[in-house]
Amino acid sequence: KAGVTQTPRYLIKTRGQQVTLSCSPISGHRSVSWYQQTPGQGLQFLFEYFSETQRNKGNFPGRFSGRQFSNSRSEMNVSTLELGDSALYLCASSPSHGNTIYFGEGSWLTVV
Amino acid sequence: QQQVKQSPQSLIVQKGGISIINCAYENTAFDYFPWYQQFPGKGPALLIAIRPDVSEKKEGRFTISFNKSAKQFSLHIMDSQPGDSATYFCAASVDSNYQLIWGAGTKLIIKP
Repeated sequence: KAGVTQTPRYLIKTRGQQVTLSCSPISGHRSVSWYQQTPGQGLQFLFEYFSETQRNKGNFPGRFSGRQFSNSRSEMNVSTLELGDSALYLCASSPSHGNTIYFGEGSWLTVV
Repeated sequence: QQQVKQSPQSLIVQKGGISIINCAYENTAFDYFPWYQQFPGKGPALLIAIRPDVSEKKEGRFTISFNKSAKQFSLHIMDSQPGDSATYFCAASVDSNYQLIWGAGTKLIIKP
């Protein structure tokens, strides 16, 4: 079974631009969650989607948004990028029930 | 109430020694306690998990000890190896909520 796939793996953006990151969950998984991880920092929860509905949301500004499609694939968008948005963005998927989540390898975003 | 406090922040252990990482929580409704392992440049991966109906769970060299009355759980790595050098995250959740609450992480270094 293929794991969680995130694209792109690496990207560099300029301050003020916007970025869209993509996540394909494990086949059959209906929940997708997103995390931000900065160097030396823990996992900061962004949001979680289940069946195209945002089920939980972390404490991030409105510049961070996401969505989930009917095939469970998810995207997150960050608008008006700031230098502090430079981070590893991790996507994780899980089955419809149960708490075990499976992470992708992440998308490294650098804002210059 | 929703926090999970993880310690230590970093840990250096000699090869062959025992690595111990501790987590404490306040929310008595938590009923699922996983540990995740993250290598540099990779997403976290589930290592081992426990539910409060047992006090200990062992998988190979990795053991979770759970103390319900003290609201603490810990990860023990026996015969620690250089390949165990990674960042370890504890987490907790309420089964019906699906959202994991994460500890801040412990960077473990095993010296050869």
